[in-house]
Amino acid sequence: SQKIEQNSEALNIQEGKTATLTCNYTNYSPAYLQWYRQDPGRGPVFLLLIRENEKEKRKERLKVTFDTTLKQSLFHITASQPADSATYLCALSVLYNTDKLIFGTGTRLQVFP
Amino acid sequence: AAGVIQSPRHLIKEKRETATLKCYPIPRHDTVYWYQQGPGQDPQFLISFYEKMQSDKGSIPDRFSAQQFSDYHSELNMSSLELGDSALYFCASSYRELNEQFFGPGTRLTVL
Repeated sequence: SQKIEQNSEALNIQEGKTATLTCNYTNYSPAYLQWYRQDPGRGPVFLLLIRENEKEKRKERLKVTFDTTLKQSLFHITASQPADSATYLCALSVLYNTDKLIFGTGTRLQVFP
Repeated sequence: AAGVIQSPRHLIKEKRETATLKCYPIPRHDTVYWYQQGPGQDPQFLISFYEKMQSDKGSIPDRFSAQQFSDYHSELNMSSLELGDSALYFCASSYRELNEQFFGPGTRLTVL
C-alpha cells in the first residue's frame, strides 16, 4: 500500500539546536515534495518545495533534502526558536502539474527555551 | 498580500442538514483545491478545479459536490450531513506552474 510516514512521536528540542524531521514514503514516485507548517486550528503554510531531480533546497534557516533512492526527505530547522513549535507536514505530488497533495502524518515539534 | 478567504469560519449543523462552504482564492491563481482534515489527522484531498473545470477528484462522498464560478470563487456543497463529516475544511489555491498551494484559514464544521 502507499504510505507517507513522518516521525510518529513529537520532537522536543532545546532552543538554538537543529531540528531534523523525517518523511519516508513507499510505493510512490513523487515529482516533487513539499513541506508545510500547521498551527492548531489553522491552515497549512507552505515552506519549501523540492523536485525529484534536486538533492537539497535552502531557505533562510530551513533546509530540505530529497533522496529518491531511499524514498526519504529530511527537513532541518537550524538555530531553532520557540516560535518554530508547530506541526510540520510533508506532502507529495506524484505527477507534474497534478492537482492533489498527499500529506504525511505530520510531526509535532516543540522547541523549549 | 491577499490570502485565501473562506467563509464561514465556523458552522454548526444538525444531521441530515445541508451546508455550503465558500472559498475565494488568491487573485490570479488558476487552481482551487478542497481538503478535509479530521481531528488529529492529516488533510485529505477532496476535489480540485483548474480554470473553473473540475481537474481531479479524491475521496469525496457522493453527498458532496463542488463548483468553481466565473469569478473563480468555489463552493463546496454538503448534503445529508453525518456526524463523521465534522472536520476542518480547507480551501487552497495555486498558480499551477508554481505548484505550491496556499491554504485558507479553514471552515470548522460541527455536525450534531
